[in-house]
Amino acid sequence: DIQLTQSPSFLSASVGDRVTITCRASQGISSYLVWYQQKPGKAPKLLIYAASTLQSGVPSRFSGSGSGTEFTLTISSLQPEDFATYYCQLLSSYPPITFGQGTRLEIK
Amino acid sequence: QVQLQESGPGLVKPSETLSLTCTVSGGSFSSFYWSWIRQPPGKGLEWIGYIYYNGNTNYNASLTGRVTMSVDTSKNQFSLSLRSVTAADTAVYYCARGGSRVLTAGSFDYWGQGTLVTVSS
Repeated sequence: DIQLTQSPSFLSASVGDRVTITCRASQGISSYLVWYQQKPGKAPKLLIYAASTLQSGVPSRFSGSGSGTEFTLTISSLQPEDFATYYCQLLSSYPPITFGQGTRLEIK
Repeated sequence: QVQLQESGPGLVKPSETLSLTCTVSGGSFSSFYWSWIRQPPGKGLEWIGYIYYNGNTNYNASLTGRVTMSVDTSKNQFSLSLRSVTAADTAVYYCARGGSRVLTAGSFDYWGQGTLVTVSS
């Protein structure tokens, strides 16, 4: 199975900061990667699919890049509502669909 | 607006079967892939499997043998059965909508609110 490893696992940042989260795949997955945001007690929210395509309604301060084995999620200027846990996920057609372990983003 | 709602028992005894149903409203049920995903308390997400509206399924190999999914297009519902549960199956269970092609089956754009299922005697 393909493994996804996110780094860092925990990130402390301030409002207005630019932050980057990395997701590395154990083998090449082209652009078959998705990013989600999850707030406590809530279901995940789709942010980016196909590595770099912004889901409708998601603010443009979120962006994704990468292909193959290394991917990044960047938030250009952190807003208070962005403090959450972020997950990358392997998109089908490479079952099993796999999630990274998550990156918890907290206010400094 | 597409809405998904999980329903089923919140407490299941060890060795018994966990059964959940997801009801979809506000959008088309056909032509999409529908998944179950779970999250143990304080932990990460695990995909359980998906079912296409025509009944085709694909399960996480780590759960194969214990999982069955079914669909009822007349009610816009799909269901999960997980047999022989243990405490390790305690989790929030989410249903979610994937894309309309197998390549996008794992792009979950709509989710239910989640339901906590506890396995305990």
